[in-house]
Amino acid sequence: DGGITQSPKYLFRKEGQNVTLSCEQNLNHDAMYWYRQDPGQGLRLIYYSQIVNDFQKGDIAEGYSVSREKKESFPLTVTSAQKNPTAFYLCASSMGRGNTEVFFGQGTRLTVV
Amino acid sequence: QKEVEQDPGPLSVPEGAIVSLNCTYSNSAFQYFMWYRQYSRKGPELLMYTYSSGNKEDGRFTAQVDKSSKYISLFIRDSQPSDSATYLCAMSYSGGSNYKLTFGKGTLLTVNP
Repeated sequence: DGGITQSPKYLFRKEGQNVTLSCEQNLNHDAMYWYRQDPGQGLRLIYYSQIVNDFQKGDIAEGYSVSREKKESFPLTVTSAQKNPTAFYLCASSMGRGNTEVFFGQGTRLTVV
Repeated sequence: QKEVEQDPGPLSVPEGAIVSLNCTYSNSAFQYFMWYRQYSRKGPELLMYTYSSGNKEDGRFTAQVDKSSKYISLFIRDSQPSDSATYLCAMSYSGGSNYKLTFGKGTLLTVNP
């Protein structure tokens, strides 16, 4: 069953703690992305990666970090430096190489308590 | 002026109605245009993907792009209660390594039985 798997679906974090969101894809896609979705704000790009061991900052990268050690995996760490981390986080992927058909996972809802 | 403008609605229609959803944009470099459907607390699902100007039809859905007016539309014929969701437009430009999508904020649609 091909697709993008995000885990966990719901995540609670205490203020001051780092937390890592998992994203795995078995679509053999080169490019992967992390978006944040807030009510009334639409989707905003946090980080993206076009190839293993390479990634670029998106529009709102401050307070986040990523790694791309494997083609299938693109975990996102929300650090304590992120001032307003409560949001719906969406991982996505595409074939890359100019192909912009982007497919999304089912999201992780992060709540800071 | 924001790069992509989309009326957030909400839009409420009776079952069987024709629905028209629209986005305008300011960046004439955009060449790829997408429509996503997002159910509550789920990831966006790619509905339509079009390149440059013209129409594309898929079942009850028709996507139109008018690059001269910087205006895109999604039409839903014979709307069903299962079409109730938020619809997001997205667009990107080709070339080089730019795979970033720019999203509208989404239109919330309710189809009443």
